[in-house]
Amino acid sequence: LAKTTQPISMDSYEGQEVNITCSHNNIATNDYITWYQQFPSQGPRFIIQGYKTKVTNEVASLFIPADRKSSTLSLPRVSLSDTAVYYCLVRGGNNNDMRFGAGTRLTVKP
Amino acid sequence: EPEVTQTPSHQVTQMGQEVILRCVPISNHLYFYWYRQILGQKVEFLVSFYNNEISEKSEIFDDQFSVERPDGSNFTLKIRSTKLEDSAMYFCASSERTSGVGYEQYFGPGTRLTVT
Repeated sequence: LAKTTQPISMDSYEGQEVNITCSHNNIATNDYITWYQQFPSQGPRFIIQGYKTKVTNEVASLFIPADRKSSTLSLPRVSLSDTAVYYCLVRGGNNNDMRFGAGTRLTVKP
Repeated sequence: EPEVTQTPSHQVTQMGQEVILRCVPISNHLYFYWYRQILGQKVEFLVSFYNNEISEKSEIFDDQFSVERPDGSNFTLKIRSTKLEDSAMYFCASSERTSGVGYEQYFGPGTRLTVT
């Protein structure tokens, strides 16, 4: 399983765009990149998943450069309710176990 | 939107007692998981389950733990003889498949286990 590195914490203000970058230098050819969000005392919630280039859904965008050694989760115009821990995970297509790191604690201020 | 449910939301037990945590995965999902999160720490994988057998387990999932799908809807985690260090939030998750589109895991709200 590829190791991931992401900032421990980030601060932002309401209405700003937030970009959280994750490094995964040892990503394997069949690995996907997945991001989860976790609020206090709740289970992680799937945000977005990608393999290469750019993926966008109603919640976020995921940018993956050609070498796939990093990825950036982009949250447009954050609100106070986006305050949470964000996890970047890299896993192969048939891996059942997800190994969560410490994640990035995002604090959105008014 | 379908969701994973877990019961109870909070369980208090004495050290040495057996506990069973229950989960109802999303109905068309085939893969089931248990994770735990000790307060203030990261989410840790325990076990994955498919086709009525364990497919992967972590080093945490020792002989004290077992999982079962007793009927077509429930998925349970049993801890035979609880220890103080088993106090944690336990999350159940399920997924439709393990690769490609649809392999994202959906997590339940968790059961907070307190061992005294």
